[in-house]
Amino acid sequence: GAVVSQHPSRVICKSGTSVKIECRSLDFQATTMFWYRQFPKQSLMLMATSNEGSKATYEQGVEKDKFLINHASLTLSTLTVTSAHPEDSSFYICSARTGGGLNTEAFFGQGTRLTVV
Amino acid sequence: GNSVTQMEGPVTLSEEAFLTINCTYTATGYPSLFWYVQYPGEGLQLLLKATKADDKGSNKGFEATYRKETTSFHLEKGSVQVSDSAVYFCALSKAGNMLTFGGGTRLMVKP
Repeated sequence: GAVVSQHPSRVICKSGTSVKIECRSLDFQATTMFWYRQFPKQSLMLMATSNEGSKATYEQGVEKDKFLINHASLTLSTLTVTSAHPEDSSFYICSARTGGGLNTEAFFGQGTRLTVV
Repeated sequence: GNSVTQMEGPVTLSEEAFLTINCTYTATGYPSLFWYVQYPGEGLQLLLKATKADDKGSNKGFEATYRKETTSFHLEKGSVQVSDSAVYFCALSKAGNMLTFGGGTRLMVKP
């Protein structure tokens, strides 16, 4: 299947700093990318949906000024956690899909474990 | 809105035991249904999917049948292995929109 590369896989940062996470589709053009957050032993919660060249659509309760999403090209989306705090520590996962329709498959990155100290 | 409910874990089995993880969904129309697997410290991998009623998805010995009459997509495997230990997520999607996930079920297989 298609490959989605997410980088970094782990990051530790100091409280108050910003962290950028990259999500790349390596062998296909991702018209839509999704960013999820997963708390320990819990399911994935959708944070935002981004379409190439347009502003991301954020889910209710997700601060768009804190979680900046950029989808500048068909193969790259970035999530920047600004002014990170310990409560932002989590596992962040991106997924990418091409087009739409019932048979469209979403491919997931490996995830990024963010620890804010 | 759409929702997915799956059995809570952890599910602990001995190697070669039969596995069933229940999943039911709520959605209008005809969603696509998926099972994803997450191994420790990794992202999600698609395990299998079904896009219409009565379809059976299968992969690596796992199977699930799309049952519209019971709005279910239960995951089964006849003989589990230690390497199957992971968290399994049931999910649905409609017309290419985002995935709605169930809460996840942790499977632990003991040798």
